[in-house]
Amino acid sequence: NAGVTQTPKFRVLKTGQSMTLLCAQDMNHEYMYWYRQDPGMGLRLIHYSVGEGTTAKGEVPDGYNVSRLKKQNFLLGLESAAPSQTSVYFCASSYSSLSYNEQFFGPGTRLTVL
Amino acid sequence: SQQGEEDPQALSIQEGENATMNCSYKTSINNLQWYRQNSGRGLVHLILIRSNEREKHSGRLRVTLDTSKKSSSLLITASRAADTASYFCATDGHRMDSSYKLIFGSGTRLLVRP
Repeated sequence: NAGVTQTPKFRVLKTGQSMTLLCAQDMNHEYMYWYRQDPGMGLRLIHYSVGEGTTAKGEVPDGYNVSRLKKQNFLLGLESAAPSQTSVYFCASSYSSLSYNEQFFGPGTRLTVL
Repeated sequence: SQQGEEDPQALSIQEGENATMNCSYKTSINNLQWYRQNSGRGLVHLILIRSNEREKHSGRLRVTLDTSKKSSSLLITASRAADTASYFCATDGHRMDSSYKLIFGSGTRLLVRP
């Protein structure tokens, strides 16, 4: 099993450009999450999904959109990138949202917005 | 706002020594989890402790939880160079819809010197 995979691993954008980050999991998990991690800070939840076709806002959703068309995939979109979105983005999944279930993380995407 | 705060922010020890990291949180919780992040990688779940538990062991890891003080500690015994990583606590003190959200602290960077 590959677990949670993310593409791309690195990306450099100019301000105003758009891009989509792809997350895929092969563990048949219902719940998927997108986080961002900035230096000296923990992970902050951007958006999450409790199942195919459903998404919801997390702690820092502004400037991002998501879609969960297939259970195994969770896409994060930046419509008009800003330098403040320079960060490392992590996708995670879990069997259940209940907190006693661990979250499985992807390797991350390092995004730089110039 | 961050639920969990780790202390210290950074810790440097000699191989073979024990490493202790602390986590404090603000609101009541059901569970608390600890994760490890190696440089440039995603987070990996280490251990979960429920609110009705006071201590839990897993290999060289020992976690304690004091709900009256709203704090937890992670002890790594007989540390190895491979333990060099950042360690995060994650708490579930928020309820979203019918599910729970994990809030991550800012982490403790552990360096184990050979």
